[in-house]
Amino acid sequence: AQKVTQAQTEISVVEKEDVTLDCVYETRDTTYYLFWYKQPPSGELVFLIRRNSFDEQNEISGRYSWNFQKSTSSFNFTITASQVVDSAVYFCALRGYNNNDMRFGAGTRLTVKP
Amino acid sequence: DGGITQSPKYLFRKEGQNVTLSCEQNLNHDAMYWYRQDPGQGLRLIYYSQIVNDFQKGDIAEGYSVSREKKESFPLTVTSAQKNPTAFYLCASSIVGRGVLSPEAFFGQGTRLTVV
Repeated sequence: AQKVTQAQTEISVVEKEDVTLDCVYETRDTTYYLFWYKQPPSGELVFLIRRNSFDEQNEISGRYSWNFQKSTSSFNFTITASQVVDSAVYFCALRGYNNNDMRFGAGTRLTVKP
Repeated sequence: DGGITQSPKYLFRKEGQNVTLSCEQNLNHDAMYWYRQDPGQGLRLIYYSQIVNDFQKGDIAEGYSVSREKKESFPLTVTSAQKNPTAFYLCASSIVGRGVLSPEAFFGQGTRLTVV
């Protein structure tokens, strides 16, 4: 069974603060793939990043960074110097090696106030 | 432009009626998916299809049906057997791949279904 847990339902920060969104996953697969998506108010999910389980190197893309820790089954997402445009619901997702179905967490609603 | 088109954006259904949500993609993707989104519950998988004329149930398939007669199209029917159909429905597509090709899914803009 595969499961993704995003324990933070809602987070509110003031612009320019750093914020970390947590994601913990469960899977029996030895090879798997993790994803982060952003859902702005328009509703469409926007792909942010994919991480393969055999690659634990952390990644930075502009103000976004991701910390993958296989030992704790976590794939956390940090936004540095948050902006109002970062306000959205963020989803973490998991896909197993032999599966083409993607399982999502419940999402974290991030509100960045000016 | 390539992408996924869901229609309509808003849909109202009377109790006891079946209703069909449209999903079309021109990305030449083999795999297509339907998810349901409820507040606080994230996205739950209803059905997915990896190839034409084949599809598999997801976690919450009861009360729903799908067809995949064409690669580009994956319509979802919400039947009267679905007890609580009011939700936001998202369609997605991806290439079919394994290993390092494990693909991300691309999403449509969703259909908000309300039972009146």
